[in-house]
Amino acid sequence: DQQVKQNSPSLSVQEGRISILNCDYTNSMFDYFLWYKKYPAEGPTFLISISSIKDKNEDGRFTVFLNKSAKHLSLHIVPSQPGDSAVYFCAASSGGANNLFFGTGTRLTVIP
Amino acid sequence: DTAVSQTPKYLVTQMGNDKSIKCEQNLGHDTMYWYKQDSKKFLKIMFSYNNKELIINETVPNRFSPKSPDKAHLNLHINSLELGDSAVYFCASSQGDSQETQYFGPGTRLLVL
Repeated sequence: DQQVKQNSPSLSVQEGRISILNCDYTNSMFDYFLWYKKYPAEGPTFLISISSIKDKNEDGRFTVFLNKSAKHLSLHIVPSQPGDSAVYFCAASSGGANNLFFGTGTRLTVIP
Repeated sequence: DTAVSQTPKYLVTQMGNDKSIKCEQNLGHDTMYWYKQDSKKFLKIMFSYNNKELIINETVPNRFSPKSPDKAHLNLHINSLELGDSAVYFCASSQGDSQETQYFGPGTRLLVL
């Protein structure tokens, strides 16, 4: 049973425009959410996170929005750059547990 | 300087063999993990381990066993390999609790023939 879902396997965006990656979860106990970025032949690298006590967290070009009532979070990248082309994984954890539950990833392609 | 490293990067082996994948982290973290990414790209936790306890995902077959010779290493041993074990295995580490970022190794691509 997949508790974290990324329903869009791929997304293409023009350079300079906004990229919006979406993630849904089913477990209402999740209280911490993360986005990881993965290049081919490399492990995922941490990008940005948000605690359930917030609804927005911003770091440079990256902003994560959390809608707890909808059990939905999104990652906004603006402006998108060709170097942002990668697979983005959404992940979640619940209080005190070390385990991260990952979505299946969304492949972002930023077209120059 | 690599933070989390895994060896080998690629592993091709026959069904029924026993193999190990090594993982080392130089971050001074006290918790390490193994994840499996299957053919559908689903990254799933297999184990988490610190010097106090091993937490095993109940869906992981007991043919898989983590071994930690010290705090900086968590190796994955797999006995009697099966075709379905073919996947990419990622090691990760963190400082401990769920609020800490996990740092991932580059992955080991295992192919069982």
